[in-house]
Amino acid sequence: KQEVTQIPAALSVPEGENLVLNCSFTDSAIYNLQWFRQDPGKGLTSLLLIQSSQREQTSGRLNASLDKSSGRSTLYIAASQPGDSATYLCAVRSNQAGTALIFGKGTTLSVSS
Amino acid sequence: DAGVIQSPRHEVTEMGQEVTLRCKPISGHNSLFWYRQTMMRGLELLIYFNNNVPIDDSGMPEDRFSAKMPNASFSTLKIQPSEPRDSAVYFCASRILANEQFFGPGTRLTVL
Repeated sequence: KQEVTQIPAALSVPEGENLVLNCSFTDSAIYNLQWFRQDPGKGLTSLLLIQSSQREQTSGRLNASLDKSSGRSTLYIAASQPGDSATYLCAVRSNQAGTALIFGKGTTLSVSS
Repeated sequence: DAGVIQSPRHEVTEMGQEVTLRCKPISGHNSLFWYRQTMMRGLELLIYFNNNVPIDDSGMPEDRFSAKMPNASFSTLKIQPSEPRDSAVYFCASRILANEQFFGPGTRLTVL
């Protein structure tokens, strides 16, 4: 059974700092991996989707990498801003037709000004 | 596109009452998912449908929970009878094929 772990559970950084959020999964046979952002009391917003054949995806100040063989993904946030404060969730889709995303518990990021 | 639509956004009910949550997926999406989120357990998959057919309902907690998808544009999640431990935020999500999964705003359920 696929398990997804995100470390750390919480992270506080000053504005302007570059940071890395970590995600690990137990079964390397994944179809794709998706990073989400969730603001308090809100739904999930998709940030980046990485297919299993890809090594990384970039969107603005965000860069997500994928290393299937080691069961790891990282989300790099450059020049963090207070508006980046949120919970970041990693989710993987197993390498079987029509499967669902399995989520980690998230990393709650706080960026202070 | 209006995104995934869920209703109601908030529901407060008393133990033993029936609760029905509703979801309208993004038009053209062929997969629909129901998740539950709590502080203790995070996001848990309850059930998902492909082309209106339930594929995996192993996450449904017990027989009090049921879900239907009568057509490609509508799904319901029903809890009968509801219990206080069902209090959570329930999310609906949809996607097409191998693409991004999009979530609705969620329904915050409180069972007193």
